Amino acid sequence: NAGVTQTPKFQVLKTGQSMTLQCAQDMNHEYMSWYRQDPGMGLRLIHYSVGAGITDQGEVPNGYNVSRSTTEDFPLRLLSAAPSQTSVYFCASSPPGLAGTEQFFGPGTRLTVL
Amino acid sequence: QKEVEQDPGPLSVPEGAIVSLNCTYSNSAFQYFMWYRQYSRKGPELLMYTYSSGNKEDGRFTAQVDKSSKYISLFIRDSQPSDSATYLCAMSPNYGGSQGNLIFGKGTKLSVKP
Repeated sequence: NAGVTQTPKFQVLKTGQSMTLQCAQDMNHEYMSWYRQDPGMGLRLIHYSVGAGITDQGEVPNGYNVSRSTTEDFPLRLLSAAPSQTSVYFCASSPPGLAGTEQFFGPGTRLTVL
Repeated sequence: QKEVEQDPGPLSVPEGAIVSLNCTYSNSAFQYFMWYRQYSRKGPELLMYTYSSGNKEDGRFTAQVDKSSKYISLFIRDSQPSDSATYLCAMSPNYGGSQGNLIFGKGTKLSVKP
């Protein structure tokens, strides 16, 4: 198993540009989520999904969209990038019944918005 | 007051020392308490989790939860340079279900010197 994979590893955007951060898992996990990690702020939940076709907002959803058309993929879209979205983004997945405890994290995408 | 408070450190100890890492929280609904370890430029990985109050031991690691004081601890015995990482506490009120929304502390950066 590859586990949770994220692409790209690094990205630099200009203010106003849009892009999609990709996340995929091959463990057949129902629960997937996106976090951002900022110095001094810890990990904050952006959006999450409990299964294909079902998504919901987390703590910091503004400026981000998600969709979940398959169990495997959970892309995160930045609609119009802002410098405040400079961060490290982590995707995570969890097996059924364990979403509140064990989450498997991807390696992260480091995003810089100029 | 943030829901979960964790001293960011950094904490530097000599090899072989006993390390104590702590978090406090304000939400009495939290039932599941976790410690994640994050190496530099990697995603977090689950180290241990406990339910409600009590202790749990796994090798050199011991997790303690005191719900009456809203205080959790992670002890590392015989610390090794390979333990150098950021340690994140995380909590949730639910086991799985539609939430699975972990609330993370900011993380404590630990350095174990040879």
